Amino acid sequence: GAVVSQHPSRVICKSGTSVKIECRSLDFQATTMFWYRQFPKQSLMLMATSNEGSKATYEQGVEKDKFLINHASLTLSTLTVTSAHPEDSSFYICSASDPHRGDTEAFFGQGTRLTVV
Amino acid sequence: QKEVEQDPGPLSVPEGAIVSLNCTYSNSAFQYFMWYRQYSRKGPELLMYTYSSGNKEDGRFTAQVDKSSKYISLFIRDSQPSDSATYLCAMGLLTGGGNKLTFGTGTQLKVEL
Repeated sequence: GAVVSQHPSRVICKSGTSVKIECRSLDFQATTMFWYRQFPKQSLMLMATSNEGSKATYEQGVEKDKFLINHASLTLSTLTVTSAHPEDSSFYICSASDPHRGDTEAFFGQGTRLTVV
Repeated sequence: QKEVEQDPGPLSVPEGAIVSLNCTYSNSAFQYFMWYRQYSRKGPELLMYTYSSGNKEDGRFTAQVDKSSKYISLFIRDSQPSDSATYLCAMGLLTGGGNKLTFGTGTQLKVEL
């Protein structure tokens, strides 16, 4: 299957700082990428849809000023958690679809475990 | 009511057993139905996807969709300890540029020797 790479896999930061997470499609171009958050023993919750060259679309209840998304190229989307707080500690996962596969398969990155202390 | 309902388990079975995992959904607009496997602290891995009612088989895995009942299943034959993981069902809606997924909570499976 197509490869989606996420970096870093794990990050610990101090409360009040910002953290950037990268999501790359390695062998295909993705006009759309999705960002999810997963709390322990819970399902993946869609946070936002990242569109290349335009503003991201955020799900209800997700603060766009806190979770900044930039999709500057067809292979890279970034999620920046600004002014992080301990309650932002979670597993963040991105996914992307390959248009050449008809967009039916969503491939996921390895995830980023964020711990805010 | 959640859009996708899935029993979180945990489900424990002996090696070699047939495993049945299920999800129900309420949104009849869902177009695609997927099963993902997620190991601890890893991203989900796509196992199977289908878009129509009926069965789809791939090796030891069989995905079943019943759109009239809004019910999907994943069967695992000859289960192995390596199958121990959390299994997530996901329902897809095609947006302008990708497949927007709604996930179940995941069922934790443990296959014991």
